[in-house]
Amino acid sequence: EIVMTQSPATLSVSPGERATLSCRASQGVSSNLAWYQQKPGQAPRLLMYDASTRAAGIPARFSGSGSGTEFILTISSLQSEDFAVFYCQQYNNWPLTFGGGTKVEIK
Amino acid sequence: QVQLVQSGAEVRKPGASVKVSCKASGYTFTSHYIHWVRLAPGQGLEWMGIINPNTGSTTYAQKFQGRVTMTRDTSTSTVYMELSSLRSEDTAVYYCARDRHPLPTYYFDYWGQGTLVTVSS
Repeated sequence: EIVMTQSPATLSVSPGERATLSCRASQGVSSNLAWYQQKPGQAPRLLMYDASTRAAGIPARFSGSGSGTEFILTISSLQSEDFAVFYCQQYNNWPLTFGGGTKVEIK
Repeated sequence: QVQLVQSGAEVRKPGASVKVSCKASGYTFTSHYIHWVRLAPGQGLEWMGIINPNTGSTTYAQKFQGRVTMTRDTSTSTVYMELSSLRSEDTAVYYCARDRHPLPTYYFDYWGQGTLVTVSS
């Protein structure tokens, strides 16, 4: 099973600042990586797939990069609605696995 | 618009079973695989398995093999996830999620609202 490790666990950021979230895979997953955002009491929302492709309706301030074992999700200028937990997910191998999440909170 | 609507919260005793439903609308039910994912308190998301609504074929995560059964009813556009031999560690919110593409792609573009399953004596 591929283990996905996200860091940091919690990120404190002021509105308008840049946020950089990291996701590492225990073995290479090519570009078969997705990112999701989850707010309290809501279902996750797909942000990115294929490591760097924004899903439909996702603002351009969200960007993804990386391949192999190291991936980054960047939010260029945090808006109030962006504060949430973010998960990465690999879909290169069975079973599909998620990272433990990064909580982005207001500083 | 695409919607996945799940059944309501459930409380079960250890050793019992639970069956959660997920009714799809707004697209051709048989064209997209459906996954089940759970979120336990203090944990991350965990993938449980996938069902092809067209054929009924399934693949389960090894962790849940022997305890989980996913089925579908094409007449009502509904998929079901049944988990047996419940233990306290199965307390979680269970989500159904649609695979983004008919091929499939193994990531998820629409999710149900979640169903809280509480296992407690």
